[in-house]
Amino acid sequence: DTEVTQTPKHLVMGMTNKKSLKCEQHMGHRAMYWYKQKAKKPPELMFVYSYEKLSINESVPSRFSPECPNSSLLNLHLHALQPEDSALYLCASSQTRGQLDGELFFGEGSRLTVL
Amino acid sequence: AQRVTQPEKLLSVFKGAPVELKCNYSYSGSPELFWYVQYSRQRLQLLLRHISRESIKGFTADLNKGETSFHLKKPFAQEEDSAMYYCALSGGSYIPTFGRGTSLIVHP
Repeated sequence: DTEVTQTPKHLVMGMTNKKSLKCEQHMGHRAMYWYKQKAKKPPELMFVYSYEKLSINESVPSRFSPECPNSSLLNLHLHALQPEDSALYLCASSQTRGQLDGELFFGEGSRLTVL
Repeated sequence: AQRVTQPEKLLSVFKGAPVELKCNYSYSGSPELFWYVQYSRQRLQLLLRHISRESIKGFTADLNKGETSFHLKKPFAQEEDSAMYYCALSGGSYIPTFGRGTSLIVHP
């Protein structure tokens, strides 16, 4: 299995809702990432987990809460989002050969709309 | 600090024409450079990385440390090459920094 799988593909939520995005990979990668991508823009790094520990948080608002339950799973918990948070949320993974490998394997993304 | 510059937001060519997507970088150390591609309605995926020196789908890219460039080239563009292309640099943090992307449109 050489894919990163994200669910759901589409999500519509109100500003008071609580929802979660899920990501799964079975390539044995020990680094996992969350990116946010607006239309026709590059991905913006949000969080990096390395060996299930949060190693990078790019000053993301607390209404986004990541979680890495095990080496194959990555969640992004969403609460009290704003309409400007509407975007494509991408999960990625990479190998860790002593350091993070810059070759990222991306999922198809979860398209989030906040009403 | 590391930075990637893709000067062209949009590149439009005709099928069979040569194509060059420009990428310049800024990094004081020894960089690792990548090109990622995002076809319409498909996931972002690696096209090539400079250390592998491979040619993928007819595309090549050479790292020029003197000019701090990593331009992507293909001698004869095909319609299926139409996509968004991102140059990325992996420096000290080993996490890629992406350029703003270049949209390549290949007309029939």
